[in-house]
Amino acid sequence: GMPVEQNPPALSLYEGADSGLRCNFSTTMKSVQWFQQNHRGRLITLFYLAQGTKENGRLKSTFNSKERYSTLHIKDAQLEDSGTYFCAAEGSNTDKVVFGTGTRLQVSP
Amino acid sequence: EAAVTQSPRSKVAVTGGKVTLSCHQTNNHDYMYWYRQDTGHGLRLIHYSYVADSTEKGDIPDGYKASRPSQENFSLILELASLSQTAVYFCASSERQGSRSYEQYFGPGTRLTVL
Repeated sequence: GMPVEQNPPALSLYEGADSGLRCNFSTTMKSVQWFQQNHRGRLITLFYLAQGTKENGRLKSTFNSKERYSTLHIKDAQLEDSGTYFCAAEGSNTDKVVFGTGTRLQVSP
Repeated sequence: EAAVTQSPRSKVAVTGGKVTLSCHQTNNHDYMYWYRQDTGHGLRLIHYSYVADSTEKGDIPDGYKASRPSQENFSLILELASLSQTAVYFCASSERQGSRSYEQYFGPGTRLTVL
């Protein structure tokens, strides 16, 4: 299967709602990076984690290498959170980074 | 602040023609990468490089060549462009120390349309 499985593929939220995205890995990963791709196609780095949990404002991400997953939690969703979210993970024995297939998030008033 | 620039930002090419996409970074990073993104999909690694004058194949290298003439510059070359190579291309750079990797910094992307 795919080395990085990202879910859900699409997500619709109302403003103020909380939700989470998840990436599961088929092998042990060294690190994970989360991006938001905006409507102009620009990739905006949200988090880079080699382990543990990081928070930034309304966003929180966790990476568990041993359990082979990472999550991105969005709290109090805002209209500007709309976009496509990607996780990207680097394998333990490789220089390469593999991207998930993305979650398309739409936040509505 | 880290900076990765790409040129051109968009290009229309004819089938069979040669296309060169350029990437420049001012981060002093050793690693540079080329990815392609197809509509509605994630990014896939084409080629990467960890030192000047050396390139490595990524996951989908067929139909592409890469060139790293200096630490700052990394080019992606399509010798014979094909319709299937229509996509958005992203360049990225990252630092690395031994086995420890760091986050990748991405350029704004180049939209390539092959007709």
